[in-house]
Amino acid sequence: DAGVTQSPTHLIKTRGQQVTLRCSPKSGHDTVSWYQQALGQGPQFIFQYYEEEERQRGNFPDRFSGHQFPNYSSELNVNALLLGDSALYLCASSFRQAANEKLFFGSGTQLSVL
Amino acid sequence: DQQVKQNSPSLSVQEGRISILNCDYTNSMFDYFLWYKKYPAEGPTFLISISSIKDKNEDGRFTVFLNKSAKHLSLHIVPSQPGDSAVYFCAASEVGNTPLVFGKGTRLSVIA
Repeated sequence: DAGVTQSPTHLIKTRGQQVTLRCSPKSGHDTVSWYQQALGQGPQFIFQYYEEEERQRGNFPDRFSGHQFPNYSSELNVNALLLGDSALYLCASSFRQAANEKLFFGSGTQLSVL
Repeated sequence: DQQVKQNSPSLSVQEGRISILNCDYTNSMFDYFLWYKKYPAEGPTFLISISSIKDKNEDGRFTVFLNKSAKHLSLHIVPSQPGDSAVYFCAASEVGNTPLVFGKGTRLSVIA
């Protein structure tokens, strides 16, 4: 049973570029949440997708957008990259928007913006 | 404005002894608290949780204590094992499956 898978594992971009990160949820899950973990910080909630719609959003600018596909996989897009966007981006999946201990995290995508 | 605070960035404990990790919160609307463990190059994994209606929850070597009046919780690991060496995150949520709010984490090193 595959868990939450994220791709790519590492990515290097330059300021001003755009990036797309991908996530496949754990089998049986239909909800995907994205978190940003900056160096020395805890994960910070970006947004949650359920039934192909953004359901909840954290305090992140519109440069951060997402999408969920009919197979429940999800993408996180970041436009006009800033140096401060360098972080580990974590995807978490659950069933029917469940949070708490029912969240399962992927290993993350390490994004470096130069 | 940090709503969940873990004031100790790191903790070193000898194998077999007790590890105590602390967490404070400021949001009185939080009603569910969790601890996650994270190894390098892996995502956080759920460890143990506690609801605000309880003051203690135990699972094997792990016990979480909640003091609502002090807005403080702690994770006790007894006995500590080298495999427990990881970063531990305290997290909290409000009623209704709201997104988790994480602390900055505490790096635990268990020395053999």
